[in-house]
Order: sequence, then C-alpha cells, then structure tokens
Amino acid sequence: GNSVTQMEGPVTLSEEAFLTINCTYTATGYPSLFWYVQYPGEGLQLLLKATKADDKGSNKGFEATYRKETTSFHLEKGSVQVSDSAVYFCALVNQAGTALIFGKGTTLSVSS
Amino acid sequence: KAGVTQTPRYLIKTRGQQVTLSCSPISGHRSVSWYQQTPGQGLQFLFEYFSETQRNKGNFPGRFSGRQFSNSRSEMNVSTLELGDSALYLCASGPGDTVETQYFGPGTRLLVL
Repeated sequence: GNSVTQMEGPVTLSEEAFLTINCTYTATGYPSLFWYVQYPGEGLQLLLKATKADDKGSNKGFEATYRKETTSFHLEKGSVQVSDSAVYFCALVNQAGTALIFGKGTTLSVSS
Repeated sequence: KAGVTQTPRYLIKTRGQQVTLSCSPISGHRSVSWYQQTPGQGLQFLFEYFSETQRNKGNFPGRFSGRQFSNSRSEMNVSTLELGDSALYLCASGPGDTVETQYFGPGTRLLVL
C-alpha cells in the first residue's frame, strides 16, 4: 500500500536559515501529496499540496515539488522565522482514496 | 465560516472507563473523519462518516466506534479505555467528494490514567 517516510527531527535552525525537510513516498499511481503543519496546541493545517508529477506547491514561503523520478516531495523554505516553529507532516492519500496517510512528523524549532 | 470544532478539548479518564468525543464539522460539510495521533504511532486513520453512514474504517479494535447525526455532527466513542488510548484525537470535515479537501479541528487530548 501507499506509505510516506519523512526525516526524523528535531530540526533546529537559526532565524533566516534555509530549511529542507525530506519526504519520500511509495505509492500505486500518482496520488496527490501534501504538507501539513501543526502549531503547538493546535490541529493540522494544510500548508501546501501538489496533485501531479512536477507540480510545485507553495504557501507562506514554503515550497515542495512532486518528483516522481525520486518519489520525493521535500519541503523547503529559503528563510525561516521563529513563527515557523511547529511540527510538519508529509502525507498522501491511501490507495483506496479514502484516508490520508501521514509521515511521523518533523519538529522544527527556530531560534532568534 | 466557522471551522471544525471539537469538544471537549481535554479529557482525563481512568482505565476501563469509556469516553465520548464530539466533532462539529464546517457548515455544509457532510464527511467527518477521525484520526488518532500518538508519539509512537503518529497519525492513524480511525474511520470516516458520510451522511450518517460509516463509509471507511481504519485498523482499530471494536472498542473504537462512532456515529454521525443528521446535522453531520459526529461522535466517537472508546470503551474500556486502555493506557495506550492516550492520544490527541483529531476530527476532519470535508464536502465528502475527496479526502483532499479536509479541514482539521484542534483535537481532543485524552489522557488515560
């Protein structure tokens, strides 16, 4: 079945540093891919998504490109802020199309 | 438009008890999905309801059940609580055509002692 693997955290960066969080997937076909963010004490918010190969999703300075050659969907941001501190989840739709499958999450901590 | 609301936000129970969690979806949404989030297992799909019918189910024991009312509000119930049921329970609502357009609530944090 479909699955997703993302890098373990925590990731600790200084403000204005470059961020990459790796995500790779295994899937039948080419399902949509997502990045969700969870701020402390809150639920999940959709950060960005890509629905087909070579699509780039972007939002709030974050970007991720759907790469079918490397089965990856890495999250990047050129200059992180303290307010970006959160847990980030890579996700895709399961094979049946009935639910989301999430990675384990990567905790990002940004200090000023 | 109001977001997904979940009540209560925090709950403490003891082993063997049962618990009911509530989720009110975004107005107009007919699908409600439930997920369990734990440090060890991460986010796992419990079940999804659409128009008062359970449409999809994850791999959880029968102690976990749910229902949906005619106004699309949903409840999930966990009976005979175990320590391992301590988790953040997240509800997500959507129009029902695809899981790609789900919106998550803030969650209910359950602690089982």
